[in-house]
Amino acid sequence: DAGVIQSPRHEVTEMGQEVTLRCKPISGHNSLFWYRQTMMRGLELLIYFNNNVPIDDSGMPEDRFSAKMPNASFSTLKIQPSEPRDSAVYFCASSSLGQYNEQFFGPGTRLTVL
Amino acid sequence: GENVEQHPSTLSVQEGDSAVIKCTYSDSASNYFPWYKQELGKRPQLIIDIRSNVGEKKDQRIAVTLNKTAKHFSLHITETQPEDSAVYFCAPRTRPGTASKLTFGTGTRLQVTL
Repeated sequence: DAGVIQSPRHEVTEMGQEVTLRCKPISGHNSLFWYRQTMMRGLELLIYFNNNVPIDDSGMPEDRFSAKMPNASFSTLKIQPSEPRDSAVYFCASSSLGQYNEQFFGPGTRLTVL
Repeated sequence: GENVEQHPSTLSVQEGDSAVIKCTYSDSASNYFPWYKQELGKRPQLIIDIRSNVGEKKDQRIAVTLNKTAKHFSLHITETQPEDSAVYFCAPRTRPGTASKLTFGTGTRLQVTL
């Protein structure tokens, strides 16, 4: 099993540009999570999906952020327009449905907005 | 939302000593209590977890204890080794049910010195 796959691993962009982060969950997992990690704010849950349906997006910072999960094997997190304060490591994680199932994290995407 | 606090924020121990990290949470409905370890530049990974119907769980050198009445749970590492140096996060689960939303604590940086 390849684990959770994220791309790109690193992204450097200029303020105002659109950024798209991609995630492929572990095959068979029904839940997918997007997290953001910064020194100041720690590890924050942005949004999560169950069976491709968004369940809780209360962590999404503002309208500049959007996430989709068109099928069970792919999800995107888009920032448009990007700002320097969006610089962070973005993790995608997946798990099976259920109360006690481990979340498996991807390697993360390090985003730098200049 | 769930309020999660970890103490201490940093911890330095000598190799071979024990380390204890405490996590307090606010949601009395929480029923699943995992600990994640994140090495520098890596992704968070589950190291041990406990369910609300159990008071203690041990896996080799690590253990987790739970006090549901007081709403806190602790990570215990015995015979610490340099490879235990990392940031440790507690992540109690809120909204029991099919959704598995974890709220991550602020993290504890453990440094094991020779």
